[in-house]
Amino acid sequence: GDSVTQMEGPVTLSEEAFLTINCTYTATGYPSLFWYVQYPGEGLQLLLKATKADDKGSNKGFEATYRKETTSFHLEKGSVQVSDSAVYFCALSLNTGFQKLVFGTGTRLLVSP
Amino acid sequence: GAVVSQHPSWVICKSGTSVKIECRSLDFQATTMFWYRQFPKQSLMLMATSNEGSKATYEQGVEKDKFLINHASLTLSTLTVTSAHPEDSSFYICSAGTLFGPGTRLTVL
Repeated sequence: GDSVTQMEGPVTLSEEAFLTINCTYTATGYPSLFWYVQYPGEGLQLLLKATKADDKGSNKGFEATYRKETTSFHLEKGSVQVSDSAVYFCALSLNTGFQKLVFGTGTRLLVSP
Repeated sequence: GAVVSQHPSWVICKSGTSVKIECRSLDFQATTMFWYRQFPKQSLMLMATSNEGSKATYEQGVEKDKFLINHASLTLSTLTVTSAHPEDSSFYICSAGTLFGPGTRLTVL
């Protein structure tokens, strides 16, 4: 079946450090890929997405590139801030309209001053 | 702009009672909405697909008689947890498209 695998957390970084959160997927079709962020006590927010191979999604300094050859969609940010502390979820969708999502287990990021 | 809202944001109920959670799409219509459940420090698990004007589609292992879903209009889906028990305590989240509601935390005593 379709699945998403994320690196286990928590990921602990100092402010201004470089961030990478790995995400790989398995899908029977040609999925769209997403990163969602969940801040403490809040719901999920779409961070970025990519719909086809080699697409790069970017938002708020975060970016991820859809790599079909490695079935990956790793999240990166060049310089993290304390306010980036949250749980990050990688997800895929095979539906048109990106509706039904399969989520990874989430990776908690902790950024210290 | 388009937003998905949920009500209530949190609810505490006694074991054996039923609880209704509302999910609304604001500024857009949604023929399909999704209900997820999130356990502490875990990922979201899809429970069911809510279809406007027809029966919901439940994921394997989800009891449809326990988690009643009604999609009465193009902007409203409701999830009713019937005869709730402490093991039903969780964070319930709905979505429409790529938009997610803020979630409802249910605690069953």
